[in-house]
Amino acid sequence: AQKITQTQPGMFVQEKEAVTLDCTYDTSDPSYGLFWYKQPSSGEMIFLIYQGSYDQQNATEGRYSLNFQKARKSANLVISASQLGDSAMYFCAMREVGTYKYIFGTGTRLKVLA
Amino acid sequence: DTGVSQDPRHKITKRGQNVTFRCDPISEHNRLYWYRQTLGQGPEFLTYFQNEAQLEKSRLLSDRFSAERPKGSFSTLEIQRTEQGDSAMYLCASSLAGRLTNTGELFFGEGSRLTVL
Repeated sequence: AQKITQTQPGMFVQEKEAVTLDCTYDTSDPSYGLFWYKQPSSGEMIFLIYQGSYDQQNATEGRYSLNFQKARKSANLVISASQLGDSAMYFCAMREVGTYKYIFGTGTRLKVLA
Repeated sequence: DTGVSQDPRHKITKRGQNVTFRCDPISEHNRLYWYRQTLGQGPEFLTYFQNEAQLEKSRLLSDRFSAERPKGSFSTLEIQRTEQGDSAMYLCASSLAGRLTNTGELFFGEGSRLTVL
């Protein structure tokens, strides 16, 4: 069965520093997609970045990059040059191509310090 | 506003009452999802539709829960005989699935918060 694990309930980072949020996953499907979402205190889930299981290069979107290590089944989110507005919950999610069902991890709460 | 919209945003009800939530997805999206999120947890999958067909329903969904998407556009999630354990945020999301889709990411609404007294 699919599973997403986020082992860091909370993280602190100094403004302008980089931070890595961990995500490991488990699936028996060779084809899958990995996603990261941000959920600010307002509650709306915001899509950040996507990595396909067959993508050769790590995904990047502005200050967000995904450190994809397929053999280790990890898909860590790296946020560079942290900003106060990055303070939020961050969720890792996976979609198996066959089912189009998305499952989410328990999230990491990031606090950026001024 | 062409995003996913949910109504009502907040619902307070007494135990045993029925409640219904509505979700209007992004108009061209063919897939629609319902998730439940409790405080400090990630969204839990409840069910999803492709067009009007309900393709999968989580074991989390008891017989008191029912979802419909009658014309492949908006969807409703009904909870009958509510219990205090049903208190949560109910999130709706939509996506566009198909060969031309690159990522198929979910677009979420702002959620409907249910409080059962």
